[in-house]
Amino acid sequence: QKEVEQNSGPLSVPEGAIASLNCTYSDRGSQSFFWYRQYSGKSPELIMSIYSNGDKEDGRFTAQLNKASQYVSLLIRDSQPSDSATYLCAVNDRGYGGSQGNLIFGKGTKLSVKP
Amino acid sequence: DGGITQSPKYLFRKEGQNVTLSCEQNLNHDAMYWYRQDPGQGLRLIYYSQIVNDFQKGDIAEGYSVSREKKESFPLTVTSAQKNPTAFYLCASTQSRTDSYNEQFFGPGTRLTVL
Repeated sequence: QKEVEQNSGPLSVPEGAIASLNCTYSDRGSQSFFWYRQYSGKSPELIMSIYSNGDKEDGRFTAQLNKASQYVSLLIRDSQPSDSATYLCAVNDRGYGGSQGNLIFGKGTKLSVKP
Repeated sequence: DGGITQSPKYLFRKEGQNVTLSCEQNLNHDAMYWYRQDPGQGLRLIYYSQIVNDFQKGDIAEGYSVSREKKESFPLTVTSAQKNPTAFYLCASTQSRTDSYNEQFFGPGTRLTVL
């Protein structure tokens, strides 16, 4: 059973701090990694995708991928109260029959940014 | 505007009733997905479809049925056989199910409650 693991939190950080969200996955051959943000009562919104080892930056967000350690993280710099949400990690499912586009989701980490 | 629409936003079902949730996309995406989300849980895949008139069961297909008569539309029926249907239902789409680098995008969701 392929798994994506996240600390459920809640992770609480003060406004202006760096929030660090972590995710591990079980399938060593996974190729694509995604971070979604989900506000309470809303649907997930894609905020970052990463496919190669290393860092990828987009504004205040940085995704980090280490395939050898099967680890992907999301850093949020200068955290704002509006960043308070649940962050879902997703990894592509290398299933049979051409289902590589399917995703396996973690249960999410709840982030709370305190003013 | 390109996007994914779901209707209704809220749906109430009596015991023993079948209900159908609508999902439409104008992104010209090939693949479409239905997920279920329960409180504190990750997203669980119900059904997915790559092309018209073809669909595959996901991890929790029992008690659900789908159709894909048009590329733009992927309705989900929650049947009376689904014993615990109260949940948040999310529709998603991606350019191609067979491409592991494709990003999935979500509709706004339908919240189903059994009375």
